[in-house]
Amino acid sequence: DAGVIQSPRHEVTEMGQEVTLRCKPISGHNSLFWYRQTMMRGLELLIYFNNNVPIDDSGMPEDRFSAKMPNASFSTLKIQPSEPRDSAVYFCASSLGGTGGSEQYFGPGTRLTVT
Amino acid sequence: AQSVAQPEDQVNVAEGNPLTVKCTYSVSGNPYLFWYVQYPNRGLQFLLKYITGDNLVKGSYGFEAEFNKSQTSFHLKKPSALVSDSALYFCAVRDLGGTALIFGKGTTLSVSS
Repeated sequence: DAGVIQSPRHEVTEMGQEVTLRCKPISGHNSLFWYRQTMMRGLELLIYFNNNVPIDDSGMPEDRFSAKMPNASFSTLKIQPSEPRDSAVYFCASSLGGTGGSEQYFGPGTRLTVT
Repeated sequence: AQSVAQPEDQVNVAEGNPLTVKCTYSVSGNPYLFWYVQYPNRGLQFLLKYITGDNLVKGSYGFEAEFNKSQTSFHLKKPSALVSDSALYFCAVRDLGGTALIFGKGTTLSVSS
């Protein structure tokens, strides 16, 4: 299995531009998570999908952030408009089952820099 | 509310020596506990987990962790450290019925040759 795939690996954009991050979960996994990692705040859960349905989006910072999962093999995280404080590494993770003892498998991350 | 504490920002150990990376947690009810490792410019990799049963859990790359309910701890251990073990280690917890994994802030392990 190729594992969780994320693209792009690096993104540099100017403030105010739209940014779209992409994720392909592990085949057969039914739960998908988007995280953000910064030095100041560590790892933060942004949103959690189960069977393509958003279950918990309480971690999404503000309305500039949106996430979709149109099918079981693809998800996007969009930031519009982007701001310098959005600079971080964004991880996508998937698991078989989203609760209990199910472990999550992480993608390599997208390093976003907003200038 | 759930929380995880990793009291040490960095742990230094010589190659061949045993290592311990500490983790304490707070949840209501029985916890599900996890350890992940992150190498530079990589995603987190799952090492091991505790669900129930034996308090000593064995995982990948020779790592193990001991669940101690009375001390609410889940320390990561390895009998003999390798230079290649140098990385950032995260402890995480999820409570019964919960979905989100709550991660600690991470501990940098540095193994010297």
